[in-house]
Amino acid sequence: NAGVTQTPKFQVLKTGQSMTLQCAQDMNHEYMSWYRQDPGMGLRLIHYSVGAGITDQGEVPNGYNVSRSTTEDFPLRLLSAAPSQTSVYFCASSSDRTYEQYFGPGTRLTVT
Amino acid sequence: RKEVEQDPGPFNVPEGATVAFNCTYSNSASQSFFWYRQDCRKEPKLLMSVYSSGNEDGRFTAQLNRASQYISLLIRDSKLSDSATYLCVVNPDSGGGADGLTFGKGTHLIIQP
Repeated sequence: NAGVTQTPKFQVLKTGQSMTLQCAQDMNHEYMSWYRQDPGMGLRLIHYSVGAGITDQGEVPNGYNVSRSTTEDFPLRLLSAAPSQTSVYFCASSSDRTYEQYFGPGTRLTVT
Repeated sequence: RKEVEQDPGPFNVPEGATVAFNCTYSNSASQSFFWYRQDCRKEPKLLMSVYSSGNEDGRFTAQLNRASQYISLLIRDSKLSDSATYLCVVNPDSGGGADGLTFGKGTHLIIQP
């Protein structure tokens, strides 16, 4: 049982480049979320999805896009990377009956 | 405004001691409460949910005080492996869903031999 997987584990981008962070879960969870974690800031919600075809913005959505074409996958796209997007990104999923969040291992992104 | 506050620490505690820390939340309508554990450079993992009646899991006890709007985590007979950051998580949304979760910034615990 893989749980929540994220790729890549590490990424370095130059300012202005775009990329997609991948997230997949095999637990048939309806709810999926993307967070970023910065020192002293805690986890902040970027975007979330309550099911395939449905997404919504979280606390810090600017500069990011998401889509949810299947229950399993929830990719996060950085449109034009900026140094302020240097962070650790976590994807998480949860069922609709409990609120326990299962997190992926994270992607460490550096934008230079 | 959603707000969850924790003492960032670090708490330096000798092995075998008992340690407790609190988390306060501002939304009195909050419905669900959790403690997560995060090891250095790893993802957060659920430690335990916090129920109104309080709950215990081995050496860990979690309690909720709705009147004063705080939750607590007590660790007895602390082990070196308990060293981690403990995140307080509050869900104010009774309808469920990922949008409602608010994470505290975490309390850093260091167990010393």
